[in-house]
Amino acid sequence: GAVVSQHPSWVICKSGTSVKIECRSLDFQATTMFWYRQFPKQSLMLMATSNEGSKATYEQGVEKDKFLINHASLTLSTLTVTSAHPEDSSFYICSARVMSNYEQYFGPGTRLTVT
Amino acid sequence: TQLLEQSPQFLSIQEGENLTVYCNSSSVFSSLQWYRQEPGEGPVLLVTVVTGGEVKKLKRLTFQFGDARKDSSLHITAAQTGDTGLYLCAKSDRGSTLGRLYFGRGTQLTVWP
Repeated sequence: GAVVSQHPSWVICKSGTSVKIECRSLDFQATTMFWYRQFPKQSLMLMATSNEGSKATYEQGVEKDKFLINHASLTLSTLTVTSAHPEDSSFYICSARVMSNYEQYFGPGTRLTVT
Repeated sequence: TQLLEQSPQFLSIQEGENLTVYCNSSSVFSSLQWYRQEPGEGPVLLVTVVTGGEVKKLKRLTFQFGDARKDSSLHITAAQTGDTGLYLCAKSDRGSTLGRLYFGRGTQLTVWP
């Protein structure tokens, strides 16, 4: 149980285009999902907290107009990187919180490369 | 801030050796999780500890939670090459209903054959 999927697993896009990444909790409902960014050999950096049916809460320094988050249902959250630039290239990981406790289960990540 | 100090940052050992990774904070944890992450994949939850003094074992991995709930350790006995990965500790935000996690910077473990 507690499986989280992400799609796509990797994507290459041209500078200036937008990319959407999906995060799904497959066998449980998640009122809260989290989006992280990770650089090589480093820990996870929280970008935003996604709440079902309400606006996302962004961490300081994260541009909400650039990283659009939508949490339309209890099993799906999406992150859209708008007008992507090479510096946005990174490994993006989502997690979903189990409602009964504070445990988070992570998706397999999405490798974004902007050329 | 809710800083979580994790050490060492890098660890390179031979197969069969033992190792310990430490996770410390100046504030109390309501709960603490240990994760393991392999390259190109998301972190996988290994264990959650919630009670001060708690010890949990997962095969060759032993997790301890300090009595004061401000520190934790992960001990691996007789390391194997398959243990290679990034080990992350994370504590939950006691005051947050959203359950936000604060991660340590991670310990990159490499086990050589």
